[in-house]
Amino acid sequence: EVQLVESGGAVVQPGGSLRLSCAASGFTFDDHSMHWVRQAPGKGLECVALINWDGTDTYYADSVKGRFTISRDNSKNSLYLQMNTLTTEDTALYFCARDLNYYESSGYYGGFDYWGQGTLVTVSS
Amino acid sequence: DIQMTQSPSSLSASVGDRVTITCRASESMKKYLNWYQQKPGKAPKLLIYAASRLHSGVPSRFSGSGSGTEFTLTINRLQPEDFATYYCQQSYSTPPWTFGQGTRVEI
Repeated sequence: EVQLVESGGAVVQPGGSLRLSCAASGFTFDDHSMHWVRQAPGKGLECVALINWDGTDTYYADSVKGRFTISRDNSKNSLYLQMNTLTTEDTALYFCARDLNYYESSGYYGGFDYWGQGTLVTVSS
Repeated sequence: DIQMTQSPSSLSASVGDRVTITCRASESMKKYLNWYQQKPGKAPKLLIYAASRLHSGVPSRFSGSGSGTEFTLTINRLQPEDFATYYCQQSYSTPPWTFGQGTRVEI
């Protein structure tokens, strides 16, 4: 059974830092790209960052570029999100999600086929 | 960035109804469109990928169609457990990808 378990959420002051972790099990971790997706209270879903299977390619939303860093440790089946210079706009439930990893002859189709339960980050003074 | 617009933003329906949700993209994106269901306090679940493919374990009353800029999610014979918020998401552009704003299906 695929399981993704996030941790590290907390209340932090504006300008502070936080590191989120996601422990993966039930599948071959380094077969999949991984994502962080967030959801502000009462709002929709926002893709935050993506990392490919071996960590050599990363992508970030413009809203977090230069402040957040996604990384992974395949030996530990773990995904991370280092968040610096946090603002109140970063307050959200942060989910880690496994990439769909679906291919057809027409190309690669990305998406999120399994999600963790989320970890809450609250940025407040 | 590709903008995704869902309609309606919310709808009311009854058990047994057929429900259709539309997602429009700001530019053509072939079939690079996924649908998710989210219930309050829970993580989203993948329903449909590549516009029309049913994810493993998803009931067959859910179906997806469309290509290019217009896509639909149809729920046949709405069940009590289907009352939730539904999101479309594109994976055509360079990541990170974008979601629609969501459609809330209420009793």
